[in-house]
Amino acid sequence: SQQGEEDPQALSIQEGENATMNCSYKTSINNLQWYRQNSGRGLVHLILIRSNEREKHSGRLRVTLDTSKKSSSLLITASRAADTASYFCATPLTGGGNKLTFGTGTQLKVEL
Amino acid sequence: GAVVSQHPSRVICKSGTSVKIECRSLDFQATTMFWYRQFPKQSLMLMATSNEGSKATYEQGVEKDKFLINHASLTLSTLTVTSAHPEDSSFYICSAGSGGSLRETQYFGPGTRLLVL
Repeated sequence: SQQGEEDPQALSIQEGENATMNCSYKTSINNLQWYRQNSGRGLVHLILIRSNEREKHSGRLRVTLDTSKKSSSLLITASRAADTASYFCATPLTGGGNKLTFGTGTQLKVEL
Repeated sequence: GAVVSQHPSRVICKSGTSVKIECRSLDFQATTMFWYRQFPKQSLMLMATSNEGSKATYEQGVEKDKFLINHASLTLSTLTVTSAHPEDSSFYICSAGSGGSLRETQYFGPGTRLLVL
């Protein structure tokens, strides 16, 4: 299976704290993406980082990519209750055509 | 921009019946759409790629005669679950590529929850 793995599976923090999620993948990639999914809803694209980039920021999000270790991390700073969701990394599926394979996901719960 | 809708959002059907799920790109044209299924607390699994004007391509292990896909226009793809059984109960999500400079990203519909009794 080409599916990546995410760590931790579940994370519970207090509002205002930072949340870090990690993703490991198996094959060489040219980009990695992070998506968010609220319970029972579709996915929302958060950020894309290309293989020649090591770090990328978007608002309170910071993504890193280490292609030598085949891993990526997503950091959410100053978390809010509204950040409660599942977060998935996604990498291109071998065979092309813009197909994606998703990691196992991290369920984040931010408590007031 | 880049809004994808799905209909219905929720459907309950009897075992043996067929269910059609529609996926529409509302403000852009999508030559390619993707269909996923997701079991509770699990990740998305790609089922098939829907290609406008041609046959869909299915991932390994997905029965093409069970999950019929039609992509008749640049804004509509449909997934029909034929002769549904309880094990087909799942959350079905479609997505479409955005094109442009972020062509690798996908825009997702809100999903359809199917319950087969």
